[in-house]
Amino acid sequence: GDSVTQMEGPVTLSEEAFLTINCTYTATGYPSLFWYVQYPGEGLQLLLKATKADDKGSNKGFEATYRKETTSFHLEKGSVQVSDSAVYFCARGWGSNYKLTFGKGTLLTVNP
Amino acid sequence: EAGVAQSPRYKIIEKRQSVAFWCNPISGHATLYWYQQILGQGPKLLIQFQNNGVVDDSQLPKDRFSAERLKGVDSTLKIQPAKLEDSAVYLCASSLEARIRNSTDTQYFGPGTRLTVL
Repeated sequence: GDSVTQMEGPVTLSEEAFLTINCTYTATGYPSLFWYVQYPGEGLQLLLKATKADDKGSNKGFEATYRKETTSFHLEKGSVQVSDSAVYFCARGWGSNYKLTFGKGTLLTVNP
Repeated sequence: EAGVAQSPRYKIIEKRQSVAFWCNPISGHATLYWYQQILGQGPKLLIQFQNNGVVDDSQLPKDRFSAERLKGVDSTLKIQPAKLEDSAVYLCASSLEARIRNSTDTQYFGPGTRLTVL
């Protein structure tokens, strides 16, 4: 069935390091793809999205490109900050009723 | 603009008891979703409403879970009776509407209700 697979965490980085969190999806139809972030004690927030192949979503220095040929939507940031510490979820929107299927989440910890 | 409101934030009950969660979506949002997020997993959709009608409840365990959105605004999710495996965070989300075919409407999430079943 439809699924989203993202890299296992936790990921621990030093401030200003480069971040990549991998995400792949099953290719049923033409889904929209999302990255959500959950900061400690808060609800899920949309970080960025892409709605068609080759689209690049970006926000707060994070980027992800919709790659149809590799069914991937990897999240990247060139220089992470302590404030980026959170759980990151990759998701795909699918179906005529627009349902979200989430990956398991990746915990990122950034140390000063 | 006020976000999605949920209450209570935390609830501890014993198995076989009943529990209810409340959600008030962002004003004007026609579509409301309930998700279950078990520790270490991503959220899983339980039920989706469009105004006061159910659009999708295919993953709702209907023998014990029920949900309603009678006036098309706020919603209640109930579990009766609860089991140990129902321990999770229950998230409510809303969006302007779920259009047909590859909608890109953003879903806005509430802070969730953390349920512990002992």
